[in-house]
Amino acid sequence: EIVLTQSPGTLSLSPGERATLSCRASQSISRSNYLAWYQQKPGQAPRLLIYGASGRATGIPDRFSGSGSGTDFTLTISRLEPADSAVYYCQQYGISPYTFGQGTKLEI
Amino acid sequence: QVQLQESGPGLVKPSGTLSLTCAVSGGSISSNNWWSWVRQSPGKGLEWIGEIYHSGTTNYNPPLKSRVTILVDKSKNQFSLTLSSVTAADTAVYYCARVCESYCRGAFDFWGQGTLVTVSS
Repeated sequence: EIVLTQSPGTLSLSPGERATLSCRASQSISRSNYLAWYQQKPGQAPRLLIYGASGRATGIPDRFSGSGSGTDFTLTISRLEPADSAVYYCQQYGISPYTFGQGTKLEI
Repeated sequence: QVQLQESGPGLVKPSGTLSLTCAVSGGSISSNNWWSWVRQSPGKGLEWIGEIYHSGTTNYNPPLKSRVTILVDKSKNQFSLTLSSVTAADTAVYYCARVCESYCRGAFDFWGQGTLVTVSS
C-alpha cells in the first residue's frame, strides 16, 4: 500500500500568516494525481478541501491551494484565520487500498 | 445536498460482530457513486475499510478483508458494514462517506457525522 507521510506534525502560526503543509507518498501517485486534502475539526467529520492535488472542492475559499505531483504534495493556506485551526489530512485515492496521512495539526 | 447518517450499537463485546448502517438522503444510492466506510482510532488515524457500488460490487482493504462485509440495500437507500471477530483494536469512530463521481472524481465529498463504536466486555 502507499504510505503517506505528513509534515510537520504540528504547526503554530499567527492570523494573517501562511501555512505550508507537506505530504510525501512512498511511491508515485501517478493516476491523475489522485491526492486529496481534508480538514477535520474536533468532533466533526473530515471535510474535503482539495481533490486531484490542486482542485478546490465546492465552497472552499481560494485561500486554500494545493500543488505537487508524483510523490510530493503541498497544501498552502494563506491569510490564516483562527477558524483554520484543525487537523489536516492528505489521502491518496488512486491505488487501492486508499490511504491517509497521519495528519498535521494547525494551531492559529 | 446529500446527507449520510450512521447508526448502530455503540458497544460491542470482544469476539462479537460490529454492525452499522449508513442511511443516504438527498440523493440516490443507485447514482453513479461508490460508497465507503472509513474509521478513525487514536492509534491508527484514518483507515479506509472498503467501498460498495449499487450493483453490489465491493472493494475491501486487505488487512480487514477476511472480517468485513459491506452490503447495499437499494430499497432503503442505505448501505451497511459488518465487521466480525472484533477486538479492542477495532474501537474507533466509524464514518460512512460518498465517493465523488463528478468534478472531484474519487475523493470523498460527503461524510456522515461518525459514530463511536467501543469494543469492550
